[in-house]
Amino acid sequence: QVQLQESGPGLVKPSETLSLICSVYGGSVSSGRYYWSWFRQPPGKGLEWIGYIYHGESANYNPSLKSRVTISVDTSKKLLSLKLTSVTAADTAVYYCARHFCSGAGCYPFFDYWGQGTLVTVSS
Amino acid sequence: DIVMTQSPDSLAVSLGERATINCKSSQSLLYSSDNKNYLAWYQKKPGQPPKLLTYWASTRESGVPDRFSGSGSGTDFTLTISSLQAEDVAVYYCQQYYSSPYTFGQGTKLEIK
Repeated sequence: QVQLQESGPGLVKPSETLSLICSVYGGSVSSGRYYWSWFRQPPGKGLEWIGYIYHGESANYNPSLKSRVTISVDTSKKLLSLKLTSVTAADTAVYYCARHFCSGAGCYPFFDYWGQGTLVTVSS
Repeated sequence: DIVMTQSPDSLAVSLGERATINCKSSQSLLYSSDNKNYLAWYQKKPGQPPKLLTYWASTRESGVPDRFSGSGSGTDFTLTISSLQAEDVAVYYCQQYYSSPYTFGQGTKLEIK
């Protein structure tokens, strides 16, 4: 059974870099089989896809965040990471990591395994 | 970006009654090469991550009760809960995965009447 768990600072100052990690249990982040995405949900608002990483190297980002976001994989530690630079109050949200659905037919960008999420507040 | 619009924004239904949530996309989600609609539905409860309910517009995820069903094609989709249970109180989201960036509807809050 795959389990994901996000962690990182709950408070980040404006203009600084938000850094989160996602620990993956029961599924290899370094495997070429799976895609891994990050999402966020600001308080009282909807869900936003941030980007994904595949094969530990290939990444695809939401154009709305592309200039500020980096998703990477630490294969030795089985961790995903998210970095978002130059944060503002608008980046305050619950951040989630999730795995893309995969079957014998391939992998698709809808999501069957999610972490519980971690709240990040941007404030001085 | 593909814009996803759900209706209504909120819905109150009596226990045991049918709940219907609609989702409209700004462009067709039907991929001609495989004749599949690239649309998923999720249930989200406070303090919990989204839970996948259906994908390919109408395929129910393993373990999801059969009172949940998805339908529709092209640009118009529906999630139906045939007989509302107390544990179905949640916000429901549709999500397109036809093209990146993958986008969600604004959510529909479902409550008990």
